[in-house]
Amino acid sequence: QVQLQESGPGLVKPSGTLSLTCAVSGGSISTSNWWTWVRQPPGKGLEWVGEIYHIGSTNYNPSLKSRVTISVDKSKNQFSLQLNSVTAADTAVYYCARSLLEPSYYYYYIDVWGKGTTVTVSS
Amino acid sequence: EIVLTQSPGTLSLSPGERATLSCRASQSISSFYLAWFQQKPGQAPRLLIYATSSRATGIPDRFSGSGSGTDFTLTISRLEPEDFAVYYCQQYGDSPRMFGQGTKVEIK
Repeated sequence: QVQLQESGPGLVKPSGTLSLTCAVSGGSISTSNWWTWVRQPPGKGLEWVGEIYHIGSTNYNPSLKSRVTISVDKSKNQFSLQLNSVTAADTAVYYCARSLLEPSYYYYYIDVWGKGTTVTVSS
Repeated sequence: EIVLTQSPGTLSLSPGERATLSCRASQSISSFYLAWFQQKPGQAPRLLIYATSSRATGIPDRFSGSGSGTDFTLTISRLEPEDFAVYYCQQYGDSPRMFGQGTKVEIK
């Protein structure tokens, strides 16, 4: 059974870069699935950040597109999130997730989540 | 961008009652592309329903989903104590794969 684990600094300075990694265990990242980042500011709802396919194709939320990069490292079976020029508004719990392929009708839906990691933007 | 609007914002019910949660899309989406998640405090979301009405593995049959076009519904037939939580819908047909703002089901 696939499991996901986020890791990275819990504190980032304003104007700095937020960098997180999601380690995939129990399965290969090089499968017909997308790998997703979702965030949740304190006391608020879920915000879809973006996703990556193992060959490197990406989709990003337009509200973050100019600042976000998602990458994949197949050798380490992990994918990463980088968010530049952060402000206090980027303070959130960041979740990584798997978007699973449904092969009969060819759509993808989030079926597995990591436990999340809290990132605070503060000086 | 497809915007999802959930209603009500908060639902106050007693255990054993029926809960009906609504998710309305700003444009029509295929029924293949709508999911529901449950989130409890301090926990990651959990998939309940995908493709509008397909229950995820291990989800009790008191949870059901329905709808089409722009209007979708999550129904909990008889609330159990562990069902009091926040529920989110998400469309995954188009990018960005937006979530609704959530409905909190609280104990009355």
